[in-house]
Amino acid sequence: QVRLVQSGAEVKRPGASVKVSCKASGYTFTNYYLHWVRQAPGQGLEWMGIINPSGGSTNYAQKFQGRVTLTKDTSTSTVYMELNSLRSEDTAVYYCARDGGTVTAAVRADYFDHWGQGTRVTVSS
Amino acid sequence: QSVLTQPPSVSGAPGQRVTISCTGNSSNIGMGYGVHWHQQLPETAPKLLIYGDSNRPSGVPDRFSGSKSGTSASLAITGLQAEDEADYYCQSYDSSLSAWVFGGGTKLTVL
Repeated sequence: QVRLVQSGAEVKRPGASVKVSCKASGYTFTNYYLHWVRQAPGQGLEWMGIINPSGGSTNYAQKFQGRVTLTKDTSTSTVYMELNSLRSEDTAVYYCARDGGTVTAAVRADYFDHWGQGTRVTVSS
Repeated sequence: QSVLTQPPSVSGAPGQRVTISCTGNSSNIGMGYGVHWHQQLPETAPKLLIYGDSNRPSGVPDRFSGSKSGTSASLAITGLQAEDEADYYCQSYDSSLSAWVFGGGTKLTVL
């Protein structure tokens, strides 16, 4: 079965960086896009970016441009989300989520069919 | 301010039917992009409930149904059960933002 397993909770100081991992299993890693979505305490879901695990191309939400970097390691079926210049407003649970459509599909799926368990990132001085 | 608009809360008694609305605009739902719904139980990750406006993934009970018309969509839950108490999020794609977008979420309380 499809599984997305994320790394553990992090506590960071303002101005630092955090790198969260998401290890995929149960399917062909390079066939499906992976997204990152975050949820601040008591708030809704916010899309951050997408990576194509096949070629490595990325697309980021304008809000995070220049501060977030998505990368992948095909050998371990893992994608990474690095967020720089952390501030208190970045305190949130960060989720990876698989796109419902394959990277070669003629028509995009545009939904998230499997989610990781989430990684809590706390930014505090 | 979310791109898609949902009511903050809805409630219903066990066995009743409730609906949750999701309103977008001509850059997302009105452009023809699919509307998808995710259920988030307390302290857990979201889970896909409805995709492509009205399709249920395997394992989702047929008590849950989705529909879309124009720039709006709805999630209906019939035969409410205590275990349905959760936050529900609608989601789509926005062409003007070139981004995947969510509604603000609706908290369902089973009375």
